[in-house]
Amino acid sequence: DAKTTQPPSMDCAEGRAANLPCNHSTISGNEYVYWYRQIHSQGPQYIIHGLKNNETNEMASLIITEDRKSSTLILPHATLRDTAVYYCIVRVVSGGLTFGKGITLSVRP
Amino acid sequence: GAVVSQHPSWVICKSGTSVKIECRSLDFQATTMFWYRQFPKQSLMLMATSNEGSKATYEQGVEKDKFLINHASLTLSTLTVTSAHPEDSSFYICSATYRGTGELFFGEGSRLTVL
Repeated sequence: DAKTTQPPSMDCAEGRAANLPCNHSTISGNEYVYWYRQIHSQGPQYIIHGLKNNETNEMASLIITEDRKSSTLILPHATLRDTAVYYCIVRVVSGGLTFGKGITLSVRP
Repeated sequence: GAVVSQHPSWVICKSGTSVKIECRSLDFQATTMFWYRQFPKQSLMLMATSNEGSKATYEQGVEKDKFLINHASLTLSTLTVTSAHPEDSSFYICSATYRGTGELFFGEGSRLTVL
């Protein structure tokens, strides 16, 4: 799997949008961008994934640049319960997940 | 989304004993299951990949005789930590690949403490 690079941490105010960046400059054509998050002492939770088009679901939006070398996960209205470690991972559909260090998002009241 | 269940969610055992952790896909068939280990304040580390009906593939540095993996059916994989020692204390997490789409779903994790 290609490596991803994420800042170690960021914070945002409750109710505001949280924009989490990820660089994946060596991504291959058949690799998807996946986002998972892990709240303390729980298993990772799937958030969203995409190949090249922007995606949106009930949890978040995923914006992938045209060259696919980077992406941004957007939580439109962050709540305190969104405080977690967020992992950006690139993966072929049939492959496993290789976790990096992720980005710790802290949502402040 | 699909549900993956792990049991037990936490276990405490004495040094030298063996502990079995189960990973079940509750509402789908899982062709492949993955086992991860996570130490405090660290990321998840892949231990092994198991495919139903075949031997597991272990990552470098993971002892296959110590961490026995059995994937006997499309809905169940087990991880047995044999002769556990305090350094095996960790958070063990499984994930299962949904047979239809290839999506990965994670269990809630099992916290092992070896005294």
